[in-house]
Amino acid sequence: DAKTTQPTSMDCAEGRAANLPCNHSTISGNEYVYWYRQIHSQGPQYIIHGLKNNETNEMASLIITEDRKSSTLILPHATLRDTAVYYCIVSDRYGGSQGNLIFGKGTKLSVKP
Amino acid sequence: DAMVIQNPRYQVTQFGKPVTLSCSQTLNHNVMYWYQQKSSQAPKLLFHYYDKDFNNEADTPDNFQSRRPNTSFCFLDIRSPGLGDAAMYLCATRNSGTPNEQFFGPGTRLTVL
Repeated sequence: DAKTTQPTSMDCAEGRAANLPCNHSTISGNEYVYWYRQIHSQGPQYIIHGLKNNETNEMASLIITEDRKSSTLILPHATLRDTAVYYCIVSDRYGGSQGNLIFGKGTKLSVKP
Repeated sequence: DAMVIQNPRYQVTQFGKPVTLSCSQTLNHNVMYWYQQKSSQAPKLLFHYYDKDFNNEADTPDNFQSRRPNTSFCFLDIRSPGLGDAAMYLCATRNSGTPNEQFFGPGTRLTVL
């Protein structure tokens, strides 16, 4: 079972920041937080991952709380093309011995004009 | 561009008629995964290859088999498809020496008549 909890859906106005929360209260010390997204009718796409420090790349920023029990993915200037299901996944750095990604239900983000 | 390719994108088969889905990659990644994604659900891992080593998920039905003849190609065989096997099948790859960033193909949508 997925070790994360996310809101089912969120709306965001185009051009505004989208802040997607994720709860992972049972995360263990060697586990990372990964974010993927899946645009309709496409395969999932990796966005970003982090352990305890905040991370930023060209797609998004990841803010992890000090106790690591929750995190927030930030899309700084959401566009219509960011409409997708966003998955927050907890996994150790190399996916463990089985290399698994266990997807939860994710958050369906709708970016509106 | 290096990528993960899945053919065909859409496959129709008859109940009980064996079907094979294919995946190829130009990333030279040593780990390859097959996921099943049913309508409105999250992707679910079926099995994966770590190099030549096959790893089956405990709840993957025996009806599903896989072959990996070389690094670049991986096949998903469904021996006797049932109506419940209609889904999107996603192939993904990863380099085991890097964090758990998986690269997904566009998927094959399987319809069972």
